[in-house]
Amino acid sequence: DAGITQSPRHKVTETGTPVTLRCHQTENHRYMYWYRQDPGHGLRLIHYSYGVKDTDKGEVSDGYSVSRSKTEDFLLTLESATSSQTSVYFCAINKQGAEGYTFGSGTRLTVV
Amino acid sequence: RKEVEQDPGPFNVPEGATVAFNCTYSNSASQSFFWYRQDCRKEPKLLMSVYSSGNEDGRFTAQLNRASQYISLLIRDSKLSDSATYLCVVNLSDTGRRALTFGSGTRLQVQP
Repeated sequence: DAGITQSPRHKVTETGTPVTLRCHQTENHRYMYWYRQDPGHGLRLIHYSYGVKDTDKGEVSDGYSVSRSKTEDFLLTLESATSSQTSVYFCAINKQGAEGYTFGSGTRLTVV
Repeated sequence: RKEVEQDPGPFNVPEGATVAFNCTYSNSASQSFFWYRQDCRKEPKLLMSVYSSGNEDGRFTAQLNRASQYISLLIRDSKLSDSATYLCVVNLSDTGRRALTFGSGTRLQVQP
């Protein structure tokens, strides 16, 4: 498989605290994505990256920032977590020229 | 209006039944189409791509109607293991970001 891992798998945090989620891949893929999944909304794109230090916003980027200082790591940061950011977060990679994406196992984040 | 719309279901069918899911998309510029499968509390996984000519993979058949902006998935001889949520997915490949847009999913429950 493509070798994509997310950490942590579960996290509970308090409103107003910063949170960073990590996505790590082992196969040098250029494109990486962060999605969130909520009931009734499906998966929605937060941010994506098309290379080291090259990132851009998705449809639900407010309240989130990302960084990609190395090809293998794509970090998602909630600067000040809110209850509306309680969700399941999925990272995905896309091998250039290949169809479809491979997803990580997800991070379940609860903001209390 | 959502970019990708699906009937959320659930579809409850007996083993051996044939079941069909439909999906509509709003952007006529969409260029790639997929069905993903997602098991409860797991990450989405690519089931199959959808081509204009239609394509089949074992018991699964996918079809695309560009004129009507409509995608379908047919499952024949349903198995208990087919129970999952099926996500309709489109890609606006010309945006440069190569990001997928997901429907909210259709839940299938195959019963013994």
